[in-house]
Amino acid sequence: AQSVTQLDSQVPVFEEAPVELRCNYSSSVSVYLFWYVQYPNQGLQLLLKYLSGSTLVESINGFEAEFNKSQTSFHLRKPSVHISDTAEYFCAVSPNTGGFKTIFGAGTRLFVKA
Amino acid sequence: DTEVTQTPKHLVMGMTNKKSLKCEQHMGHRAMYWYKQKAKKPPELMFVYSYEKLSINESVPSRFSPECPNSSLLNLHLHALQPEDSALYLCASSQVGDSPLHFGNGTRLTVT
Repeated sequence: AQSVTQLDSQVPVFEEAPVELRCNYSSSVSVYLFWYVQYPNQGLQLLLKYLSGSTLVESINGFEAEFNKSQTSFHLRKPSVHISDTAEYFCAVSPNTGGFKTIFGAGTRLFVKA
Repeated sequence: DTEVTQTPKHLVMGMTNKKSLKCEQHMGHRAMYWYKQKAKKPPELMFVYSYEKLSINESVPSRFSPECPNSSLLNLHLHALQPEDSALYLCASSQVGDSPLHFGNGTRLTVT
């Protein structure tokens, strides 16, 4: 079985400041790791994913996440946030043996202030 | 723009009504999902169809009835719902065995 812990329910930050959203997971099998973002009144969008290979993955809008197997973490970072980054961010895992059950963390609300 | 289209965007229904939610995707994905999301919570899996066959039912009450008429369409039939069923219902799709999910924007359901 897998579980995901997002350590912060809310993260307020000023515009242009750096931010880190923390995610730890637990699993008895190897997993794929994901970050999804949900803007108000919308569905979830895939932000980035780690399937294999380089442990540092990047998104097109400046976010990056690093897979750390020893610490079972997949923290999300951005060096300089914008007002438009205000959203709910969900860390998620699924077993890499296939299947359809993606396990989501509780979510972190990123609130960017001017 | 999302590649998974859900209709309607909003739905208000009484506890004795029958209604349906619809979802469509044209990405060639053969796995389709229904999730329920309450406010400030992560999505909860309800059903999964793989190759148009029901693969997972997460012990969802029978007042929710899924249907997958073809590889592009997914419906969720609703009957005799309760006020606590009010939520955002999200449809998603993915490649089978390759799990990044593509979500629609959801149907916000209110049961009165």
